[in-house]
Amino acid sequence: DTAVSQTPKYLVTQMGNDKSIKCEQNLGHDTMYWYKQDSKKFLKIMFSYNNKELIINETVPNRFSPKSPDKAHLNLHINSLELGDSAVYFCATLGGGETQYFGPGTRLLVL
Amino acid sequence: EDQVTQSPEALRLQEGESSSLNCSYTVSGLRGLFWYRQDPGKGPEFLFTLYSAGEEKEKERLKATLTKKESFLHITAPKPEDSATYLCAVRGGSGTYKYIFGTGTRLKVLA
Repeated sequence: DTAVSQTPKYLVTQMGNDKSIKCEQNLGHDTMYWYKQDSKKFLKIMFSYNNKELIINETVPNRFSPKSPDKAHLNLHINSLELGDSAVYFCATLGGGETQYFGPGTRLLVL
Repeated sequence: EDQVTQSPEALRLQEGESSSLNCSYTVSGLRGLFWYRQDPGKGPEFLFTLYSAGEEKEKERLKATLTKKESFLHITAPKPEDSATYLCAVRGGSGTYKYIFGTGTRLKVLA
């Protein structure tokens, strides 16, 4: 059983398109995150939700919109994709002892 | 602004050659320092949490220590399977569970 899963694993798309990434967790954790990891491995927080409520919203372009339909899911929709959006996007949950559980990542390539 | 700097960026060790990775941080009111391991193509995996200066945690060949300005991840007699990128993260006193990551140290252990 995968604790944190993401779909799709790979996403190749053209500039200007709109795409979504989905995240699902079966750990029962209240807090979920979206992170962006660039080519230099820098992992930067984008958003955090706690029990479907947005609690952290970093300086991210408005083209990025998270949505949490329920406690187990956190999706990320990206409008008008740009070259600079190419990165690996990780979903994570926050468990006991402040342990974060990361998903396998979604590798986004914008052409 | 909270900041995390890791050094070296990359490290090559012979099997059995012990060494240390450094994580220097600038944060207002440290609430916790965290170490993660990331294998290629995967999400980060939790290793340790340290909360106060002087604290130490151990797991197999890894030992994490914390001072008021930095943390070290000591690797004793490493094996090739210890090869990975090691990420350090901090949580400051903002009142939210927001984690700032460093860019990591890529460790390669040669047989």
